[in-house]
Amino acid sequence: NAGVTQTPKFRILKIGQSMTLQCTQDMNHNYMYWYRQDPGMGLKLIYYSVGAGITDKGEVPNGYNVSRSTTEDFPLRLELAAPSQTSVYFCASSLGPGQGSYNEQFFGPGTRLTVL
Amino acid sequence: GDSVTQMEGPVTLSEEAFLTINCTYTATGYPSLFWYVQYPGEGLQLLLKATKADDKGSNKGFEATYRKETTSFHLEKGSVQVSDSAVYFCALSDTGGTSYGKLTFGQGTILTVHP
Repeated sequence: NAGVTQTPKFRILKIGQSMTLQCTQDMNHNYMYWYRQDPGMGLKLIYYSVGAGITDKGEVPNGYNVSRSTTEDFPLRLELAAPSQTSVYFCASSLGPGQGSYNEQFFGPGTRLTVL
Repeated sequence: GDSVTQMEGPVTLSEEAFLTINCTYTATGYPSLFWYVQYPGEGLQLLLKATKADDKGSNKGFEATYRKETTSFHLEKGSVQVSDSAVYFCALSDTGGTSYGKLTFGQGTILTVHP
C-alpha cells in the first residue's frame, strides 16, 4: 500500500494563477480531508468528504474548491492564488467515525506552496 | 467549539532526559484524544491514542493518559533519543452522532534532542 500520496511536493505560484493539488489514497477510505499548516500553527481543515460525490466546507474554505468523483481521489483547486495561501497542504483519509478505527487519519507527505 | 492547547515550545533536551509536553482540551461530549508526530519533511503520523477517560495510550516509549477531570492528555517519555526530534501535535476528534470525524489540533510543539 502506498497510503496517501500527494503531488506536487513543492510549487511556486504567481498571484492570480490557479493550480490543483492532487491527493490519492489506496486504502478504500470513505473519508478524506484537506488541511493547511501555517508556521507555528496547528492544522486547519479546509474541506472534507465523506464519500464519492459528497463534499463539505471545513474551517477555512475560502479561496479553495474540491471535488470527489472517485473514492480514491480528492483534488484541491486554488482558482486565484493569493499570498495568504502560502502554506503547507496536507491531505488525509480515514475509515470515518464509528468504524472501529477511532477515526485514525492517515496523512500524505504534504505540498509546500508559495504564492509570490 | 472544540479547542486544544499545547505548551509553548520549542523544547530542547539532552539525550536520555525526561520529556513532558502538556496538552489540555475543551470539548463537548466525549472526544477521542490523539498525539501525532511530524518528522522533518514528512506528513503527520499517529503516535498514540485514547478513546475514553483513564485510558492510557502508549507507543515507542511514549505515554499519555486521558484525564477527564483535568481535561488533559500530557505526553511523556522517560528517556528521549535524538531520533525523537520532531514536531508533536495533540488533537481531539469529535465522536458525536453528527460528527464527520474532524480533528482539532493544538499548535504543535517542536522537540529537539541533542546528543
